[in-house]
Amino acid sequence: GAGVSQSPRYKVAKRGQDVALRCDPISGHVSLFWYQQALGQGPEFLTYFQNEAQLDKSGLPSDRFFAERPEGSVSTLKIQRTQQEDSAVYLCASSWDRGSGQPQHFGDGTRLSIL
Amino acid sequence: GQQVMQIPQYQHVQEGEDFTTYCNSSTTLSNIQWYKQRPGGHPVFLIQLVKSGEVKKQKRLTFQFGEAKKNSSLHITATRTTDVGTYFCAQAGTALIFGKGTTLSVSS
Repeated sequence: GAGVSQSPRYKVAKRGQDVALRCDPISGHVSLFWYQQALGQGPEFLTYFQNEAQLDKSGLPSDRFFAERPEGSVSTLKIQRTQQEDSAVYLCASSWDRGSGQPQHFGDGTRLSIL
Repeated sequence: GQQVMQIPQYQHVQEGEDFTTYCNSSTTLSNIQWYKQRPGGHPVFLIQLVKSGEVKKQKRLTFQFGEAKKNSSLHITATRTTDVGTYFCAQAGTALIFGKGTTLSVSS
């Protein structure tokens, strides 16, 4: 597709369940980012991949959060034993180059609600 | 950690009025990017500023980067209802560090 694709668009889960969020970046984009956006806030960085290598995961809030990009294209963000504070929009972004300061192209996000 | 602060948090204008949002950092920024997020949408890249004192224009939008590279501004001339949304500045390293954004509403 022409843009970054994320699925599902909406996810409702009960506290304690595991969830998996998918991101399909723009074809050929080397860099892939995950952000968490709480209501009324700016996106906050979670983790960064360059191809299949996870180069920075400093933003992941806890060890319940895990991300992978095994073949350097599609990425999955997994949250185990979800808690109410995990409710947010999870945005994926990609950029074509590995250099810093590249424009990032965002998907529409997955809105996660934990009951 | 390093943060970029944005003001105001909210701004309401009448259509045709001008609008400005400011972005400030306590430390020197290597570069800064601006994004627009429509209600219910995702951030969309507007521009990147790199050089000290840089000014860039996109139609009715004017972006400035301060001489000390610690602040930036976005000015919209003669706002339209299509300008509504939240405007974010972001410190652009490998990942983006976003400000909290300025939400613009426009009434006709």
